Amino acid sequence: NFMLTQPHSVSESPGKTVTISCTRSSGSIASNYVQWYQQRPGSAPTTVIYEDNQRPSGVPDRFSGSIDSSSNSASLTISGLKTEDEADYYCQSYDSSNVVFGGGTKLTVL
Amino acid sequence: QVQLVESGGGLVKPGGSLRLSCAASGFTFSDYYMSWIRQAPGKGLEWVSYISSSSSYTNYADSVKGRFTISRDNAKNSLYLQMNSLRAEDTAVYYCVKMATPRIHFDYWGQGTLVTVSS
Repeated sequence: NFMLTQPHSVSESPGKTVTISCTRSSGSIASNYVQWYQQRPGSAPTTVIYEDNQRPSGVPDRFSGSIDSSSNSASLTISGLKTEDEADYYCQSYDSSNVVFGGGTKLTVL
Repeated sequence: QVQLVESGGGLVKPGGSLRLSCAASGFTFSDYYMSWIRQAPGKGLEWVSYISSSSSYTNYADSVKGRFTISRDNAKNSLYLQMNSLRAEDTAVYYCVKMATPRIHFDYWGQGTLVTVSS
């Protein structure tokens, strides 16, 4: 089984850009799609990125996703930060037998 | 619109059993894989299990394999999770989740039901 490792927390000011990383421990990050979920306090998660870099309808284009095979990691970038972006963010991927979530990153917008 | 409503959570003693249910609406339930995902208090997300649209295939996390059973009734638009031999570490909010079949992507989530395992 592989793991997905995220930073525990990140913080940035409104209007700035932040990037959250998600590193796969074994197997290629490119071999299976990566999704990103946003979870606000007291609410269920919602998808902000699916299939590495696709945005669901209704998610602003301030959210973008990418993968980097050289570092075997995926990234979620949020530009033009707003206070409403403050939340926990989880990456997720899979292999033939398992679905794996990263440990989550708490984004503080201050 | 897609709605997923979980029920059946509660307080149970270690070693006990509980059955969670999820009522789905707003989409053609029988066309989609479904999943259970849990979140322990103050912790991250943990995938528990998923089931194919026709119930022909199921998959479980190692942490629940042999203790939990996922099932569905397409005629009733319902998903279930039978949980046996419960442990304190199974304490969590359990989410019923629709999968963006054929993708392993969770596109709609219920609000969750809390399961507490304690003596």
